[in-house]
Amino acid sequence: NAGVMQNPRHLVRRRGQEARLRCSPMKGHSHVYWYRQLPEEGLKFMVYLQKENIIDESGMPKERFSAEFPKEGPSILRIQQVVRGDSAAYFCASSPLDSTDTQYFGPGTRLTVL
Amino acid sequence: SQQGEEDPQALSIQEGENATMNCSYKTSINNLQWYRQNSGRGLVHLILIRSNEREKHSGRLRVTLDTSKKSSSLLITASRAADTASYFCATDAGDDKIIFGKGTRLHILP
Repeated sequence: NAGVMQNPRHLVRRRGQEARLRCSPMKGHSHVYWYRQLPEEGLKFMVYLQKENIIDESGMPKERFSAEFPKEGPSILRIQQVVRGDSAAYFCASSPLDSTDTQYFGPGTRLTVL
Repeated sequence: SQQGEEDPQALSIQEGENATMNCSYKTSINNLQWYRQNSGRGLVHLILIRSNEREKHSGRLRVTLDTSKKSSSLLITASRAADTASYFCATDAGDDKIIFGKGTRLHILP
C-alpha cells in the first residue's frame, strides 16, 4: 500500500503564474488535509476535505487559494497569481474514514516563487 | 517512522489542574514543535522551540527543551474543557522532513 503521494516534489513559478499541487491519499482514505510550512516554522493548517466536500477551510487565505478533492483523482491545491510570500513547503495528509485522528503525511511539495 | 514518542499515551485530569506531556526523540534536531488535534480535525500548530532555546511560553502553554536528553515537555496550566484533544510533538531535523510522535490523548474532566 503506497503512502500519501504528492507531486511535484519541487515547483518553481514566476510571480503571477498559477501553481497546482497534487495529493494522492493512501488507498482507501477519504479525508485529505493540506498544510503550509514556512521556513523555520511549524505546519499551518489550511483546509480539510472529504471527497467532493470541503469540511473546514478556516486556514485558507481568502483570495487566490482553492482546494478540491474530486470523486476521482487526486486532491488539488491551487494557488493563482502566486507571489513571493507563497514560497513554502505544502504538505498533504490523509486519513481513513474510521480513524480520522490518524493522519498520514506525504513528502510535501516545495514551492519557490521567483 | 515515528521519532518523537510522547508520554503518557493518555491523560485525564480535573479542570483547573495543570497537564504535562513529554516527548522524547532520537536524532539531532533544528526545532521541535507541538500540535493539538481535536478529534477528526486538522492539526493546529501550538508552539515551536528551536534547538538553542530551553524554554518558551505562549499563553497557558509552557514548552521546555533539553537537547542533552533529547526530550521536551508541554505544560498546559489551568486546564479547561476545551483543552481536551490529542497533543503531538514533531521534530524538524532540517532535512525536509517533519516526524511526528504518536500523541498524548488529553481528557479534561469537568
